[in-house]
Amino acid sequence: AAGVIQSPRHLIKEKRETATLKCYPIPRHDTVYWYQQGPGQDPQFLISFYEKMQSDKGSIPDRFSAQQFSDYHSELNMSSLELGDSALYFCASSLTGTGVAGGPTGELFFGEGSRLTVL
Amino acid sequence: TQLLEQSPQFLSIQEGENLTVYCNSSSVFSSLQWYRQEPGEGPVLLVTVVTGGEVKKLKRLTFQFGDARKDSSLHITAAQPGDTGLYLCAGNTGTASKLTFGTGTRLQVTL
Repeated sequence: AAGVIQSPRHLIKEKRETATLKCYPIPRHDTVYWYQQGPGQDPQFLISFYEKMQSDKGSIPDRFSAQQFSDYHSELNMSSLELGDSALYFCASSLTGTGVAGGPTGELFFGEGSRLTVL
Repeated sequence: TQLLEQSPQFLSIQEGENLTVYCNSSSVFSSLQWYRQEPGEGPVLLVTVVTGGEVKKLKRLTFQFGDARKDSSLHITAAQPGDTGLYLCAGNTGTASKLTFGTGTRLQVTL
């Protein structure tokens, strides 16, 4: 079965550069989430999109932006990179209403992540 | 403020031992999920619990959702080295589209 695909898997950038991460959700999933996980930390929610519209926003810096395109893939753009941006960035997708109780959030399926290293 | 606190943060045990991981919050969750994450990989869903008092079993893993839907536990029987990983609980309040992850429990099972 198709899973969430993220690219690139590894990315090395210098301070003040720009980086773009891509995410291709599971086909027919309508919601995409971005999480940031620093070393030894739990994933922190950045932003989510439902049917190509931003649905929720977490601790995403103003230097970051994201969007979901007509083919449902999503991109996370990070500008003016800082050393502290070095982390694993995970994308996840879900299908609304497919939670165990038919609730708003179905189970999240995560990609393998993109490891960003800022030098 | 961290909504979900997990304990213990680290656990190192020998193969065959039993263990319990706790996930506690002051918030009520409409559903709570447990994930396991291995180094360099994304979290993988283990189970979702939605009903207060619910108990779900997945082979040697037993998950319980508290009656008030504010806490959960994961019990592993006869741990094996393959159980090694980071265990994360994650809650959904029902009003938001996102999951909030717990602080994580890093488990190491040695021979």
